Amino acid sequence: GAGVSQSPSNKVTEKGKDVELRCDPISGHTALYWYRQSLGQGLEFLIYFQGNSAPDKSGLPSDRFSAERTGGSVSTLTIQRTQQEDSAVYLCASSLDRGRIYYGYTFGSGTRLTVV
Amino acid sequence: EDQVTQSPEALRLQEGESSSLNCSYTVSGLRGLFWYRQDPGKGPEFLFTLYSAGEEKEKERLKATLTKKESFLHITAPKPEDSATYLCAAVSGYGQNFVFGPGTRLSVLP
Repeated sequence: GAGVSQSPSNKVTEKGKDVELRCDPISGHTALYWYRQSLGQGLEFLIYFQGNSAPDKSGLPSDRFSAERTGGSVSTLTIQRTQQEDSAVYLCASSLDRGRIYYGYTFGSGTRLTVV
Repeated sequence: EDQVTQSPEALRLQEGESSSLNCSYTVSGLRGLFWYRQDPGKGPEFLFTLYSAGEEKEKERLKATLTKKESFLHITAPKPEDSATYLCAAVSGYGQNFVFGPGTRLSVLP
């Protein structure tokens, strides 16, 4: 596609429920990143995928968070047993490959998650 | 630990009133310093990459500069459409991922 597509754009869920957030990167982009943006905070790195390599999960805040990327394209971020502190905007970004980050990532518009 | 801070948190300017935004960074072996613009409800949009102290980049009314400890985003004669949150991010020599600052929320009044 022309840009990075994320869905849903907004999600309201009850505390304790599981949620799935989807990211469809730009076609041909092998690097995919997930970030979390909380009010008044900088973007927080969560996880990184590069081609068929094992993902860098070093930013995931707890074992309730997981992500997968199928076929080197679409990625799903799953949050289990959601807590109120999980409320944030979840941003996905892609780039041609890790070496191209110096040209900047392309970000999606994000999913705003609200846990009530 | 790599860290990026930005000031001010928010800035209100009159149209045409030039100013600068500050980004201070503490990273091990800076590989790149990035500026992004973020509009409400949108993802960040890439503006510039700076690699070494003394480097400058320009785009329309924006000019980014870099020293060994800071980067500045200078806005010359801003227009209301320049209103946005400006994010600064750094990549260190040992890390592979961006460390973002909290951003400066710029409002340009007509």
